[in-house]
Amino acid sequence: DAGVTQSPTHLIKTRGQQVTLRCSPKSGHDTVSWYQQALGQGPQFIFQYYEEEERQRGNFPDRFSGHQFPNYSSELNVNALLLGDSALYLCASSLVAGSGEQYFGPGTRLTVT
Amino acid sequence: AQSVTQLGSHVSVSEGALVLLRCNYSSSVPPYLFWYVQYPNQGLQLLLKYTSAATLVKGINGFEAEFKKSETSFHLTKPSAHMSDAAEYFCAVRSSFNYGQNFVFGPGTRLSVLP
Repeated sequence: DAGVTQSPTHLIKTRGQQVTLRCSPKSGHDTVSWYQQALGQGPQFIFQYYEEEERQRGNFPDRFSGHQFPNYSSELNVNALLLGDSALYLCASSLVAGSGEQYFGPGTRLTVT
Repeated sequence: AQSVTQLGSHVSVSEGALVLLRCNYSSSVPPYLFWYVQYPNQGLQLLLKYTSAATLVKGINGFEAEFKKSETSFHLTKPSAHMSDAAEYFCAVRSSFNYGQNFVFGPGTRLSVLP
């Protein structure tokens, strides 16, 4: 049973560019959440997708957008990259009717230069 | 609004010693509480969760945590530390299991285990 997978593993971008990160949830899960983890800090909630709609959003600007596909996989897009966007981006999946825990992928390390 | 504080950004223990990692939460409704562990260059792995059943929760790798409502605490313990326990530990709170209810994580505690 495959867990949560994310791609790519690492990414280097230049300020002002755009980036797309991808996530496949754990088999059977229908909800995907995205988190940003800056170095030395806890994960910060970006947004959550269920039934292909954004259900809740954290305190992140509109430069951060996402999408969920019919197969429950998800993308995180970040436009006009800033140096401060450098972080580990974590995807977590869960079951809306489940017991509440989220399962995390290994993350994508984004470096903005 | 929910929040989580973890006292001690870095805790060092000797191998075989008791591990105690502190977590205090703030929530306007009865919370659901979680502990996650993160090894270097990896994602987060669930250690245990509190979902309003028994107040003493047992998790994987010999860890357990006790929910104390009067102290708004959910401290993580392990009787005997092992070298493999060295990692970053995060406490998280969630107000309900309804979709749209996100997790709020604490800043984390780095556990070092000395030989």
